[in-house]
Amino acid sequence: AQSVTQLGSHVSVSEGALVLLRCNYSSSVPPYLFWYVQYPNQGLQLLLKYTSAATLVKGINGFEAEFKKSETSFHLTKPSAHMSDAAEYFCAVSNIMTTDSWGKLQFGAGTQVVVTP
Amino acid sequence: DTEVTQTPKHLVMGMTNKKSLKCEQHMGHRAMYWYKQKAKKPPELMFVYSYEKLSINESVPSRFSPECPNSSLLNLHLHALQPEDSALYLCASSQDQAGYNSPLHFGNGTRLTVT
Repeated sequence: AQSVTQLGSHVSVSEGALVLLRCNYSSSVPPYLFWYVQYPNQGLQLLLKYTSAATLVKGINGFEAEFKKSETSFHLTKPSAHMSDAAEYFCAVSNIMTTDSWGKLQFGAGTQVVVTP
Repeated sequence: DTEVTQTPKHLVMGMTNKKSLKCEQHMGHRAMYWYKQKAKKPPELMFVYSYEKLSINESVPSRFSPECPNSSLLNLHLHALQPEDSALYLCASSQDQAGYNSPLHFGNGTRLTVT
């Protein structure tokens, strides 16, 4: 079984400050991990993905995430927040080791990011 | 602009109505998905089509009926819905169902209100 835990349902950051969103996963097999962003009244957009090629993954809009197997974590960071980063962020895990789980992304509960001037 | 197009953007329907949600993609993806998302919650998987065949049904009530007429189109037929079915319905596609190197591309969703 696999699951994803996002620590903090709401995060408030000042414009220009570091953005740090935490994600921990539970998986019995090597996972494939994703971060998605959802802006108001829109669908989800892929920010970045980890598929075992490199532990530090760079994504769009200046975001990056580091896979740490020892900590079972995949935290998302951005050095300097912009007002346009205000959105809901979802961490998700995928397990391809069994065909029963193909196509079944397990999403975390989400973290709402608020950016203050 | 999203590469997955969903229509309509908004839909209000009564509990006795029949309506359909439509989804279209032209990326050559062979897997298509329907998700339901309630406010302040993550998306919940409903159905997966792979190569135009229903691959996954997450025990969704029969008042929701999916259809995949061809590799680019996905429909969700709605009949006798309940007010608790009001939600954002998201369509997504991926290159194939395996998902590990084929992330989901989402549409902007249909906001459904059942009265």
